[in-house]
Amino acid sequence: DGGITQSPKYLFRKEGQNVTLSCEQNLNHDAMYWYRQDPGQGLRLIYYSQIVNDFQKGDIAEGYSVSREKKESFPLTVTSAQKNPTAFYLCASSNGQGRSNQPQHFGDGTRLSIL
Amino acid sequence: RKEVEQDPGPFNVPEGATVAFNCTYSNSASQSFFWYRQDCRKEPKLLMSVYSSGNEDGRFTAQLNRASQYISLLIRDSKLSDSATYLCVVSADPGAGSYQLTFGKGTKLSVIP
Repeated sequence: DGGITQSPKYLFRKEGQNVTLSCEQNLNHDAMYWYRQDPGQGLRLIYYSQIVNDFQKGDIAEGYSVSREKKESFPLTVTSAQKNPTAFYLCASSNGQGRSNQPQHFGDGTRLSIL
Repeated sequence: RKEVEQDPGPFNVPEGATVAFNCTYSNSASQSFFWYRQDCRKEPKLLMSVYSSGNEDGRFTAQLNRASQYISLLIRDSKLSDSATYLCVVSADPGAGSYQLTFGKGTKLSVIP
């Protein structure tokens, strides 16, 4: 089945630790995105990538980093510089190099908490 | 003015009722509009795109009013399984970068037996 796979489902971070969230898609989509959702809040864009080897900052990129070495994969690293990382992280992908007339499709998310 | 605004609800309706949600957006250059549903602690899932002429998918009807800058979602014959949060999603100004979608905070619907 085609889809977007995020792992792990739950992740705990210690103080000063970097953690990496995985996102893999087999939909052959060009564009991929990372969002953060806090309770009662809308989704906020962290980073996005329209094609391989290229990515752009979203609205809240500070404390995060990404890479896009393969079309299928867009991992997100939450660094120790992100002081409030507890949130629900959602990865999405879309066709057409991210043209906004294309809907985005989401993975089932990773819940990150601080120990 | 917030970019995408929705009434957070909750809307509590009996099974079989008709319910409508509105969503207003601030960017008159927005080109694309979508409704997503999000179940508690789950990812958003695309419900339907919203076309200029309005569109229907079974019990769901979406409308766009560009002049007043709002979109609407009508659900007829509500089912218990319709209970969820409905997210209004609007594209950014294409001239400012075509990648971005702006998500509303959602309207919560509870369908009661």
